[in-house]
Amino acid sequence: NAGVMQNPRHLVRRRGQEARLRCSPVKGHSHVYWYRQLPEEGLKFMVYLQKENIIDESGMPKERFSAEFPKEGPSILRIQQVVRGDSAAYFCASSPRDFVSNQPQHFGDGTRLSIL
Amino acid sequence: GESVGLHLPTLSVQEGDNSIINCAYSNSASDYFIWYKQESGKGPQFIIDIRSNMDKRQGQRVTVLLNKTVKHLSLQIAATQPGDSAVYFCAETAQAGTALIFGKGTTLSVSS
Repeated sequence: NAGVMQNPRHLVRRRGQEARLRCSPVKGHSHVYWYRQLPEEGLKFMVYLQKENIIDESGMPKERFSAEFPKEGPSILRIQQVVRGDSAAYFCASSPRDFVSNQPQHFGDGTRLSIL
Repeated sequence: GESVGLHLPTLSVQEGDNSIINCAYSNSASDYFIWYKQESGKGPQFIIDIRSNMDKRQGQRVTVLLNKTVKHLSLQIAATQPGDSAVYFCAETAQAGTALIFGKGTTLSVSS
């Protein structure tokens, strides 16, 4: 079984451009989470989505950032008009629908976003 | 506030020693805890988890201990190997399936 797949692994953008990060969850998982990690720090929660629904976006900046998880296809984290402070590693995690079994979140290997 | 922290940013051990990595959490409503291992350039890898109705759980070479009285979590690695070198994070959540709150991590270095 394939794990969480993220692409691209590395993304370079100039200030003001748009960044699109993609995440394909583990097959059969319907819950996706996005986290951001700055160097030497732990992961910070951004947004939690189920298919076609945003469940919790309390960790996502109100401006320039958006996320979606369509019925078909990967989850997308979109950052518009990027700034240098957006440089970070962005991780996606997924978990199955069944909360009762307390399945942990499984992470992809992230997208390293660098803003020039 | 809701935060998870670790006592030591770095830990150096000799190969074959036992390692203990500690974590303090502040949210008494948290009921699910996970230890992750992160190697350079990779995402967090699940090691072991524990629910708040337990105080100990064992895996292969790893044991997690939970002390709810003092809100303390620890990860014990037996017979530490060079391949165990990584950054270790504890994470908590108030309900399985919701957002995880991560601490800053402990870097474990294992020398041969």
